[in-house]
Amino acid sequence: AQSVTQLDSQVPVFEEAPVELRCNYSSSVSVYLFWYVQYPNQGLQLLLKYLSGSTLVKGINGFEAEFNKSQTSFHLRKPSVHISDTAEYFCAASGYSTLTFGKGTMLLVSP
Amino acid sequence: DTAVSQTPKYLVTQMGNDKSIKCEQNLGHDTMYWYKQDSKKFLKIMFSYNNKELIINETVPNRFSPKSPDKAHLNLHINSLELGDSAVYFCASSLAGTDEQYFGPGTRLTVT
Repeated sequence: AQSVTQLDSQVPVFEEAPVELRCNYSSSVSVYLFWYVQYPNQGLQLLLKYLSGSTLVKGINGFEAEFNKSQTSFHLRKPSVHISDTAEYFCAASGYSTLTFGKGTMLLVSP
Repeated sequence: DTAVSQTPKYLVTQMGNDKSIKCEQNLGHDTMYWYKQDSKKFLKIMFSYNNKELIINETVPNRFSPKSPDKAHLNLHINSLELGDSAVYFCASSLAGTDEQYFGPGTRLTVT
């Protein structure tokens, strides 16, 4: 069984500031890790994924995430956010073809 | 050139009715899924089909019945709709073994 915890339900930040969205997972098996973004009234779009190899993963829209096995974390970062990054962000873990989602973090970017 | 499509996008209906949501993918994937997103944005897997066979069936009321006529389609039929069924339902697809899922735009179901 696996679980995903997103510690922050909402993260307010000013435009052009850096941001980190936290994600921790627990699993009894090796997992693949994902970050998805959901813009208002839209479906989920894959931002980035960790399957194996380099622990620093780069995704679309300038986002990146670092897999840390010892801390069982997969935090998402962006060095400078834009207003258009305002959205809900979901961390997910996959094992045996089942995606388990965290509860989501709402990123609110203001001018 | 839509990858995963769902119809309808919005569905408003009364309690007790029966309704269906359709999903189609043109990615050549062999695995399809249905997720429910509640009012708090929490996403939970409902069903998973691989090559038209059911492989995951979470604790979902048996009023919900998925049907997969072929690998490219996974429809969701809901009988005797209840107020608590109001949610956004997402279809997704993947290639077995890759775990990277592609999501449809969602269907917002409102039961009055």
